[in-house]
Amino acid sequence: NAGVTQTPKFQVLKTGQSMTLQCAQDMNHEYMSWYRQDPGMGLRLIHYSVGAGITDQGEVPNGYNVSRSTTEDFPLRLLSAAPSQTSVYFCASSYRTGGYDEQFFGPGTRLTVL
Amino acid sequence: TQLLEQSPQFLSIQEGENLTVYCNSSSVFSSLQWYRQEPGEGPVLLVTVVTGGEVKKLKRLTFQFGDARKDSSLHITAAQPGDTGLYLCAGASGTYKYIFGTGTRLKVLA
Repeated sequence: NAGVTQTPKFQVLKTGQSMTLQCAQDMNHEYMSWYRQDPGMGLRLIHYSVGAGITDQGEVPNGYNVSRSTTEDFPLRLLSAAPSQTSVYFCASSYRTGGYDEQFFGPGTRLTVL
Repeated sequence: TQLLEQSPQFLSIQEGENLTVYCNSSSVFSSLQWYRQEPGEGPVLLVTVVTGGEVKKLKRLTFQFGDARKDSSLHITAAQPGDTGLYLCAGASGTYKYIFGTGTRLKVLA
């Protein structure tokens, strides 16, 4: 199993450009999520999905769009990049066991917006 | 807004020393998780505590969930250079929704 994979590893964008961060998992997990990690702020939830065709907003959804057409894939779209979106983005997939969720994170995408 | 505060933010210790990292909130969580993150990688789940007062051990790491389920601690005995990393706590704020703490960056010197 590859687990959770993310592409690209690094990306530099200019303000106003759009792009899609890719995330895929091969563990057949129903739940997937996107976080951003900024210095001194921990990880913050952007969007999440509880299954194909079902998505919802997290703590910081503005400027981001998601869709979930398959169980495996959960892409994150930046509609019009802004310098405030410079961050490291992590995708995670999880399953529920014993009343809590086992989360597995991808290696991250480091995004710089100029 | 639910917040999780970790202390200390940074910790640099010698190999063999003991240390404790704290994770505190004014909110109650149904469960709390601890992760370790290496540079350039995603967080890796170490443990989940669910019951107030619960203590779990993972080799030299001891995790405790507060009785009121608002706080947690991570104690490392005889730290080793391999323990170096960013330690994150995360509280369950709903099904599939987690609030992450600000992190404790640990460096263990040989």
